[in-house]
Amino acid sequence: ETGVTQSPTHLIKTRGQQVTLRCSSQSGHNTVSWYQQALGQGPQFIFQYYREEENGRGNFPPRFSGLQFPNYSSELNVNALELDDSALYLCASSLGRSSSYNEQFFGPGTRLTVL
Amino acid sequence: TQLLEQSPQFLSIQEGENLTVYCNSSSVFSSLQWYRQEPGEGPVLLVTVVTGGEVKKLKRLTFQFGDARKDSSLHITAAQPGDTGLYLCAGARGVTGGGNKLTFGTGTQLKVEL
Repeated sequence: ETGVTQSPTHLIKTRGQQVTLRCSSQSGHNTVSWYQQALGQGPQFIFQYYREEENGRGNFPPRFSGLQFPNYSSELNVNALELDDSALYLCASSLGRSSSYNEQFFGPGTRLTVL
Repeated sequence: TQLLEQSPQFLSIQEGENLTVYCNSSSVFSSLQWYRQEPGEGPVLLVTVVTGGEVKKLKRLTFQFGDARKDSSLHITAAQPGDTGLYLCAGARGVTGGGNKLTFGTGTQLKVEL
């Protein structure tokens, strides 16, 4: 069974640039969630995708957008980068759209630094 | 707004000691998960509790979900250096659109020394 993978592992960008982060979900999982984890804090929910459609969104501006592909892999796009966007971006996969037993399995994350 | 508060925020103990980490909220969650995170890595799921009052054991780790499903605790017996890490609790709740998101606690950084 293949776990959740993310690429790249590290990325350095400058203010105003755009970035795309990628995630491959765990084998058999059809739901992908993205989280932002600032240094010293718990992860914050950005949005979730289920069967290629956005399935819920946290308190993040529209310049944070995403995609999910037919193979359930996903991308997180951030436009007009700001210094505060520097964080560890985590992708988590799970099975099913909504469940009280919603176990999410995380990838290793992409460390984004905005200069 | 942080809906889940963890305490303590930092904990440094000697090998062999016992410890308890608390996760408290004013909100009800459909389930609660505990994760451990190492530096530079993603959180690793330890356990999921679903029923109020539920107790689960994972070797030296004991997890409890409060009766009202608003709080949880993690107790580690005879801590070892390998237990060192950031412990995160996360509550699951529905979101508009039909999805289910995790709301994470503030985290407890545990260091176990020889």
